[in-house]
Amino acid sequence: EVQLVESGGDLVQPGRSLRLSCSVSGFTFDDYPLTWVRQAPGKGLEWVSFIRSNTYGGKTEYAASVKGRFIISRDDSKNIAYLQMNSLKPEDTAIYYCARQYSSSSFLDYWGRGTLVTVSS
Amino acid sequence: SYVLTQPPSVSVAPGKTARITCGGDNVGSKRLHWYQQRPGQAPVLVIYFDTDRPSGIPERFSGSNSGNTASLTITGVEAGDEADYYCQVWDLTNDFPVFGGGTKLVVL
Repeated sequence: EVQLVESGGDLVQPGRSLRLSCSVSGFTFDDYPLTWVRQAPGKGLEWVSFIRSNTYGGKTEYAASVKGRFIISRDDSKNIAYLQMNSLKPEDTAIYYCARQYSSSSFLDYWGRGTLVTVSS
Repeated sequence: SYVLTQPPSVSVAPGKTARITCGGDNVGSKRLHWYQQRPGQAPVLVIYFDTDRPSGIPERFSGSNSGNTASLTITGVEAGDEADYYCQVWDLTNDFPVFGGGTKLVVL
């Protein structure tokens, strides 16, 4: 059974850092791209970042709203993906979901349950 | 970047057919996907590549995509279908996924 489990969400002050983890099981992790999507309270889905498999060079991309502050990475030996979030802002407050991408430029076929990040003083 | 436009809400009586639209410039030339998000839950893929259903998704859910409008159609709507629905494509120019703003399906 494919599973993705996010962790690391917390209440943090503006300007601080936080690292989210996405632990996966039930599939060959290094074959798939991994995406982070967030959802602010009462709002829609917003793509944050993705990382392709190392077979495709491990390419990363970021939404303009987080570029330069967030860093996505993956450890295929541990079946974990990370989202390092720096210089956090109140507008980063959201539930953060990790999701498996079916292929390099397509859809998200499995999602985790999400982890809540609250940025507030 | 590419923009997908959805109506904020659609209302339908139980047993009737709901149609949720997703508009975009020549969206019919793109491969479009739909997600269902029930209250308090993570999104779930319900349609991929315009018309395909993942295993476990009822046949009541179907999709189409042509011209400037894609649609998700739910026949025989049930109370459990009440959820937010999001369309998504891949912006090949900028190389990232784009979501529509979401449509709340209200079952009367």
